[in-house]
Amino acid sequence: GENVEQHPSTLSVQEGDSAVIKCTYSDSASNYFPWYKQELGKRPQLIIDIRSNVGEKKDQRIAVTLNKTAKHFSLHITETQPEDSAVYFCAASTGTGGFKTIFGAGTRLFVKA
Amino acid sequence: EAQVTQNPRYLITVTGKKLTVTCSQNMNHEYMSWYRQDPGLGLRQIYYSMNVEVTDKGDVPEGYKVSRKEKRNFPLILESPSPNQTSLYFCASSPTSEDTQYFGPGTRLTVL
Repeated sequence: GENVEQHPSTLSVQEGDSAVIKCTYSDSASNYFPWYKQELGKRPQLIIDIRSNVGEKKDQRIAVTLNKTAKHFSLHITETQPEDSAVYFCAASTGTGGFKTIFGAGTRLFVKA
Repeated sequence: EAQVTQNPRYLITVTGKKLTVTCSQNMNHEYMSWYRQDPGLGLRQIYYSMNVEVTDKGDVPEGYKVSRKEKRNFPLILESPSPNQTSLYFCASSPTSEDTQYFGPGTRLTVL
């Protein structure tokens, strides 16, 4: 079946450094790529998303890039802060004619003060 | 307040005893989804719905049923729960198929 691979599974950075999380998807029909942050014991919440007709999107310290040819998208967090520590999930969604959404397995990010 | 609610939040049950987890949203969203979250596996989509009376299977539909009789409600039914359905379940809703999903608070289910 279709899948989304996410790497790394764990990432530890020093406060102020950058963090990069990468995802690869298999379904060519995927056209919507959200990133969710989940703090311990909480529900996932959207932090940024990108649609298939866009190559890059930025929101303050967070940016996402998409390479549709390579079926690859990445999350970049700059100037990391301790409150960025959480589990991050990428997802690929087939929005046209459906709502099938496949999540990556998650990346646990630790930001050391 | 715009929100997705789930009930119950916690449930311990025994194998074979039918149960329903309710999900309700007050944002008039057309799209709704159920996920289960297991350590190391991320969130896996069980079923989704694109509108009233329109549902389809996600990645892991076996052992689950859903219905969408009203726009706001999307219950998840386990006709005969088994221990491998012990998990954290999230309901989510979205205004369109290419938009953020708003998640409910989660239901932690244990099947003994």
